[in-house]
Order: sequence, then C-alpha cells, then structure tokens
Amino acid sequence: DGGITQSPKYLFRKEGQNVTLSCEQNLNHDAMYWYRQDPGQGLRLIYYSQIVNDFQKGDIAEGYSVSREKKESFPLTVTSAQKNPTAFYLCASSMLGGTFEQFFGPGTRLTVL
Amino acid sequence: RKEVEQDPGPFNVPEGATVAFNCTYSNSASQSFFWYRQDCRKEPKLLMSVYSSGNEDGRFTAQLNRASQYISLLIRDSKLSDSATYLCVVTGGGATNKLIFGTGTLLAVQP
Repeated sequence: DGGITQSPKYLFRKEGQNVTLSCEQNLNHDAMYWYRQDPGQGLRLIYYSQIVNDFQKGDIAEGYSVSREKKESFPLTVTSAQKNPTAFYLCASSMLGGTFEQFFGPGTRLTVL
Repeated sequence: RKEVEQDPGPFNVPEGATVAFNCTYSNSASQSFFWYRQDCRKEPKLLMSVYSSGNEDGRFTAQLNRASQYISLLIRDSKLSDSATYLCVVTGGGATNKLIFGTGTLLAVQP
C-alpha cells in the first residue's frame, strides 16, 4: 500500500533535548512538508522540500531543522531552541505542480515534560 | 485578517439534516481550493477539491465563488460518521505548492 508513515506516534521530551521525528513516503512524490498543529489553530508550515538536498523555511521554522537526503524521507528535528514544542506534528507529501493536493501521515504528538 | 477564515462552530445537527459550511480567503491569486476532513486527534484527509463550476461527490457539494473569494461545502442527509472538523484549504497563490489552512469548522451530527 502506498502512503506516508510517521514515527513515533507519541513522543515525550525533556526540556533542553533535541528530538527527531521520522517521515517516510512511498508515493513517489517529489514534495514533502512539515506542519505543526496547535489547538484552535490551523496547520502552520514549518519546512518544505521540493527536491532532494533542497528545502525551504515555512512560516515557523525557528527552532526546527530538516534534511532531505532521499526522496522518500524528510525527518524533522525539534531543537532545544524551540520554545514551545508541545504540539501535533504532521508530515505531508504531494506531486509538484498539478492540483497541489497534499496527503498526510498519521502525525506525531510531541509533549515536552 | 486571516488568510483563510471559517466559522469554528460547533454545528450541532440531527441525523438526516443538511448543513452548509462557508469559508473566505484573502489572496485573489489562489488557484486551487480544497475541503479536508479531520477526525479528532487524526491527520487531515482530502475530502474533495473545489472547482469553479462547482462539484458534487455523493452527499457532498462544493462551490467556489472567485469574485467574492468564497468557498462552500454542503452536506446532505448527514450521518453520524460525518462528525469531524472540516478544513478549508487554498493554495498560497502563484505557481506554488504551499497550502493555507483554515482553522476548521466542527460538525457534530447527533442521533
């Protein structure tokens, strides 16, 4: 089955620790995205990548980093510089161009203790 | 002003009712429009794209008014399983894959 997987589903972190969230897709999509969702707010774009070894900051990139070494993988690192990291993190992918639909993974719920 | 605005609800309706959600967007350059459905603590899933001519998928009808920068979603014969948050989504404008998400409208269908 084609799709997007994210791991872990739940993640607990102590303040001051960096954590890396995994995102893998086998849809052969060129573009991948990371969003953050907080209660009562819409999804906000953290980073996106349209091609291997290239990525761009979204609207709230501070305190986060990404890499895109393979087409299928787009891991997100939440660094200790992110002041309020507790949130629901969603990874998505899409084809380039066309009608721009994005397809989402099941998400990772990060809680800072 | 938010780029995509929706009434957060909740909309509490009985089974079998018809319910309509509205959404306005601020960027006149937006090219593509979608409704996504999000269940509690789950990821958003594409419900339908929205075309200028309007489109229908079973009990769901979406319409776009570019002049007024307004999108609507109509659900007929509501089912309990329709209970979810409905997200209005538009592209950021120009040749870009970036999507702008509304905060969503919560629908609760009651027996």
